[in-house]
Amino acid sequence: SQQGEEDPQALSIQEGENATMNCSYKTSINNLQWYRQNSGRGLVHLILIRSNEREKHSGRLRVTLDTSKKSSSLLITASRAADTASYFCATDKAAGNKLTFGGGTRVLVKP
Amino acid sequence: DVKVTQSSRYLVKRTGEKVFLECVQDMDHENMFWYRQDPGLGLRLIYFSYDVKMKEKGDIPEGYSVSREKKERFSLILESASTNQTSMYLCASSPPGGAGGQPQHFGDGTRLSIL
Repeated sequence: SQQGEEDPQALSIQEGENATMNCSYKTSINNLQWYRQNSGRGLVHLILIRSNEREKHSGRLRVTLDTSKKSSSLLITASRAADTASYFCATDKAAGNKLTFGGGTRVLVKP
Repeated sequence: DVKVTQSSRYLVKRTGEKVFLECVQDMDHENMFWYRQDPGLGLRLIYFSYDVKMKEKGDIPEGYSVSREKKERFSLILESASTNQTSMYLCASSPPGGAGGQPQHFGDGTRLSIL
């Protein structure tokens, strides 16, 4: 079974709105990462948050991590049509950088 | 800029063929990974390598093998292709993970169809 499970599976919003997606995982982790994938392309790294961190920001992205609930969230503020993509969380359980990916959230931002 | 290059974007092969997927990175990364991506299943790790000539099985290694003769190149081999290996294959590389972890850098993928 997958370590990370994203929720919701799909999300449709208007340009300018915020988009929030969640990731839950089962076992303790070293770090959690979020990636974006545009249609037909490879994954692009967005943010890495370590197990001793609670929140990180990068531009319009905000990631939180709650290790007690084994969950993380990714918030995209003031969304743009170019944010239309699939978003994946990935967990790293131990040093070695072997990641386990969730099934992803498909985000559609309508102009 | 960092670059991971996969040799083909699209590939069509026949059942029973031996198939080679090639991946080259120009970042001098120690770690390289092969994933397959199927709708609704996310990415699943097939094999990975921490160094030249080293390889370790991922979560779904059956039917696949790998080769890493040079640091920059990691090849995925389908020994005898079957229709259930039709998928998107993604290669990635990263520096050593260490305690804090490292982002992985991905190629654009090879969409492989086995007929």
